[in-house]
Amino acid sequence: EPEVTQTPSHQVTQMGQEVILRCVPISNHLYFYWYRQILGQKVEFLVSFYNNEISEKSEIFDDQFSVERPDGSNFTLKIRSTKLEDSAMYFCAREGQPSYTFGSGTRLTVV
Amino acid sequence: GEDVEQSLFLSVREGDSSVINCTYTDSSSTYLYWYKQEPGAGLQLLTYIFSNMDMKQDQRLTVLLNKKDKHLSLRIADTQTGDSAIYFCAEVPGSSYKLIFGSGTRLLVRP
Repeated sequence: EPEVTQTPSHQVTQMGQEVILRCVPISNHLYFYWYRQILGQKVEFLVSFYNNEISEKSEIFDDQFSVERPDGSNFTLKIRSTKLEDSAMYFCAREGQPSYTFGSGTRLTVV
Repeated sequence: GEDVEQSLFLSVREGDSSVINCTYTDSSSTYLYWYKQEPGAGLQLLTYIFSNMDMKQDQRLTVLLNKKDKHLSLRIADTQTGDSAIYFCAEVPGSSYKLIFGSGTRLLVRP
């Protein structure tokens, strides 16, 4: 059983639509992360989430992005109004003292 | 500053050793990591090293850390075709819990 499960594996959405990417980190860890990888590029940090609050965020993580852990289990990344340049793989991760475990990712395609 | 640099491409013959190099800038980094990404797949943690260590060996993998030069390397002994992938170096800066990734080294293993 994977330690970090992401759904969906692939999402296609129209520009301007809202998307919600989901992550289920199967553990009691407190630190969670979202990363993004545009095709062929490096993995970029978006946001870290600790104890149900944003701990740190990058310049990429603007007002169009939000994160939640609504039920203490699922960890979501919402993009309010998607743009073409939001097309990327989005990875959820959890910190495990000292290793970081990543989910298999959600490929977001904005058309 | 936070920056991690890697060479972009390495080609080796099957059975040879591969050495992938990485430089980082944050001297207060606590842990350094190597991740493997196969085509279309997620990020698989290969190994990590604590900053007060010089070397770590794990089966075919050897990590060398030169803290003075902020240089990290990953040696893969007896490289196999299944080792063909992109290898990412990553650091955790001392001031943060987030991972900072390099741009990745694409390893091609020729039969």
